[in-house]
Amino acid sequence: NAGVTQTPKFRVLKTGQSMTLLCAQDMNHEYMYWYRQDPGMGLRLIHYSVGEGTTAKGEVPDGYNVSRLKKQNFLLGLESAAPSQTSVYFCASRLTGGHQPQHFGDGTRLSIL
Amino acid sequence: AQSVSQHNHHVILSEAASLELGCNYSYGGTVNLFWYVQYPGQHLQLLLKYFSGDPLVKGIKGFEAEFIKSKFSFNLRKPSVQWSDTAEYFCAVNAGRGNNNDMRFGAGTRLTVKP
Repeated sequence: NAGVTQTPKFRVLKTGQSMTLLCAQDMNHEYMYWYRQDPGMGLRLIHYSVGEGTTAKGEVPDGYNVSRLKKQNFLLGLESAAPSQTSVYFCASRLTGGHQPQHFGDGTRLSIL
Repeated sequence: AQSVSQHNHHVILSEAASLELGCNYSYGGTVNLFWYVQYPGQHLQLLLKYFSGDPLVKGIKGFEAEFIKSKFSFNLRKPSVQWSDTAEYFCAVNAGRGNNNDMRFGAGTRLTVKP
């Protein structure tokens, strides 16, 4: 039981390049989330999904797109990377119910030059 | 939308000292409260949570937190810290009893425990 797996773990991009971050969970969780973590700012929600085929914007969605074609996978895309998107990205998932805790992946460290 | 404030940015303690990390939130309704810990280079892990019942909740590794509704607070405590508690601690709040997805995290408190 791997929990929440993120790939890749590290990536360096040039400004304007595109890439996709993959999040996979094997816990049959309905809810999945993408956060970015920046020093002194905690975690900020980028996009989330409440089930297969659905996505919604979070607190800081600009410059990112997501897809949830399969229940276990949640993809985060950067169409045209910018230096301001240099960050550590965390994926999380949880069961139904607002009291349920989120389970986090190990993170993806992304640098945009 | 609710906000979460963690007042201490960096706390430095010696081993065996007592710990209290502050967390205040702005939402006035029913809330679900969480403390997560992030050890260096690792992902966030749940320490404890509160959503109903006894306002004093106990978590893993000897941590506990007290929900004080009148103060909109959920402070984290540990009677005696260890060097292995060096980590970053995040308070998080999710409002409501339904499937609300507006989970907000505080900015985090970095704890350094000196041996």
